[in-house]
Amino acid sequence: SQQGEEDPQALSIQEGENATMNCSYKTSINNLQWYRQNSGRGLVHLILIRSNEREKHSGRLRVTLDTSKKSSSLLITASRAADTASYFCATAHPQIFGKGTRLHILP
Amino acid sequence: DAGITQSPRHKVTETGTPVTLRCHQTENHRYMYWYRQDPGHGLRLIHYSYGVKDTDKGEVSDGYSVSRSKTEDFLLTLESATSSQTSVYFCAISGPRQGNTEAFFGQGTRLTVV
Repeated sequence: SQQGEEDPQALSIQEGENATMNCSYKTSINNLQWYRQNSGRGLVHLILIRSNEREKHSGRLRVTLDTSKKSSSLLITASRAADTASYFCATAHPQIFGKGTRLHILP
Repeated sequence: DAGITQSPRHKVTETGTPVTLRCHQTENHRYMYWYRQDPGHGLRLIHYSYGVKDTDKGEVSDGYSVSRSKTEDFLLTLESATSSQTSVYFCAISGPRQGNTEAFFGQGTRLTVV
């Protein structure tokens, strides 16, 4: 079974809106990573957050981590059409992925 | 793109035949992984490697074997392909420190078993 589980499974929003997706995991972690996958392509790393961090920013991305709840969230602000993709969280040792959130940005 | 190449990119094979997929890296990364991706299941880890001749099973290893005789190559073998192994296979690399660095993914191999 997957270590990380993303929620929701699918999300459609209007361009310019913010998109939030969540990840829950089962065991203790050293860090958690988020990836993006465009259709038909391999995954691309977005951001890593360590277990001693609560929030991290990278451009339009904001990631939070709550180790007490074993959960993380990825916020994409001011969404663009190019953000349409699937998003995955992964824990380490080795990297186990969830089923992903399919994000669709509507024009 | 990180220096990671999967071959072949597409393959159609018959049930019962052996199939080997190759992952080649030019990054000298220590860790290599094979995943399969199926609708409704996300990415599932098949096998991974810590280094040359050092491999371990993942979530869905039954029916698959791997070998890593050189740092740069990680081979995934389906000894006797079945239709349930029709999938898209991704190789990934990371390192030098497992879990503390990002993984880089190959472009994927689409395998169809008929």
